[in-house]
Order: sequence, then C-alpha cells, then structure tokens
Amino acid sequence: QLQLQESGPGLVKPSETLSLTCTVSGGSIISGSSYWGWIRQPPGKGLEWIGYIYYSGSTDYNPSLKSRVTISVDTSKNQFSLKLTSVTAADTAVYYCGRLNVMGDYNSFDFWGQGTLVTVSS
Amino acid sequence: QTVVTQEPSFSVSPGGTVTLTCGVISGSVSTSHYPSWYQQTPGQTPRTLIYNTNTRSSGVPDRFSGSILGNKAALTITGAQADDESDYYCLLYMSSGIWVFGRGTKLTVL
Repeated sequence: QLQLQESGPGLVKPSETLSLTCTVSGGSIISGSSYWGWIRQPPGKGLEWIGYIYYSGSTDYNPSLKSRVTISVDTSKNQFSLKLTSVTAADTAVYYCGRLNVMGDYNSFDFWGQGTLVTVSS
Repeated sequence: QTVVTQEPSFSVSPGGTVTLTCGVISGSVSTSHYPSWYQQTPGQTPRTLIYNTNTRSSGVPDRFSGSILGNKAALTITGAQADDESDYYCLLYMSSGIWVFGRGTKLTVL
C-alpha cells in the first residue's frame, strides 16, 4: 500500500520561503503512471491544486502560483519537495502531497498524505 | 484561471437522493476533463469517490455515482446516509497539464 508523508516547518515568517518534503513509501516514485503533486487547503476553505512533478523532473504548476512555486524530485530518496517563495498570511494552509494516478483513464488523486499545517506569521 | 463551480451547500433527507454538480463558467464539462470527486470530513484527508467521470474508487458504496448531466459533471448520492454529511469537491483537467478543484459543496443530511 502506497503511503505519503509530508514533513517540514509548521511556521514560516512572511516574505520567507516555505519548504516541504513528501516521502513516498510502499512503492517507487519512479512510476510511468504517477505524477506527484501538492495540494493545499486554507483553514475553512477549499482545496487548491498547486502543481505536480513526474519522476523525470517534468513539472506543471497552478498558473496563479507559478511565479513562486518550485517542485523538485529526488528519486534516490523516493521524495519530492515543494518550495513556495515570498509567503504571506494567505499561504497559511494545510499542505497535502498526493499521487495523481494516470494509468489508463484513472486521472485522479488516489493516495494522499495526512497533510501538514503551515502557518505564515512573524 | 478557469473557475470550477459547485453549489456551496446542499441538504438532503436521510434515504433521499441528491445530485451535486461541477461546472465551468467558460463552457461545458465533458469526459475529456476527467472529472473526479472527493469526499472530505472536517479534519480528515480527502477520499476519492469517483474518477474518470463515473468509475467508483475501490470500497466506495454503489449509492455514489458519477455522470455528465447537461454541461456539468454530476455526483449523485442515492439513499443518503448520515455519514455522507461531508464536503464534496470535484477536480477537472483543464488541458496543458493544469488541474482545478471546484470550490466544494457542503452536504448536510437531515
């Protein structure tokens, strides 16, 4: 059973960079049918797709965040990471990592991490 | 950025049927958007209910079904139960590698 686990600081200061890592276990991040993504959810609000990465390093990002987001992958550690620069209070959210399964017509997130709350505050 | 619309809230009686919809302001939703649906209870991780428009994820009861109704994707719950009270989100593929979640529907069962 695939498992994903987010890790990183729970508190980030305004204007600084938010950095999170997702560790994948129970399967390889090198998968032709998987994209590895980040989703966030501000307190009391809905889900927002941030972006994803393929094991080769190919990425796609939410256009509204693209100028501030970088997603990278480390296949040797079975991990992928999120960096969000110049954060403000509006970036306070629970950040989830997840697998987008693109096998056949699946095209859906099927495994999610537990989520980690990141608060932006001085 | 494309806005994906969902009803902000809906109410259904226990045992009743409810249909939640997922649309796009700029056009119609089709199977090419690969609509998927997620259920989330407060404090919990989203759970995949439906993918590829109408395929139930493993372990999802058959009272949940997905479809295209008119120009929207739809999630129908037939015989609603108390524990169906949750937030429901749709996710659409917008082409060029971009995905967008709907704003979510808060379903009340009472």
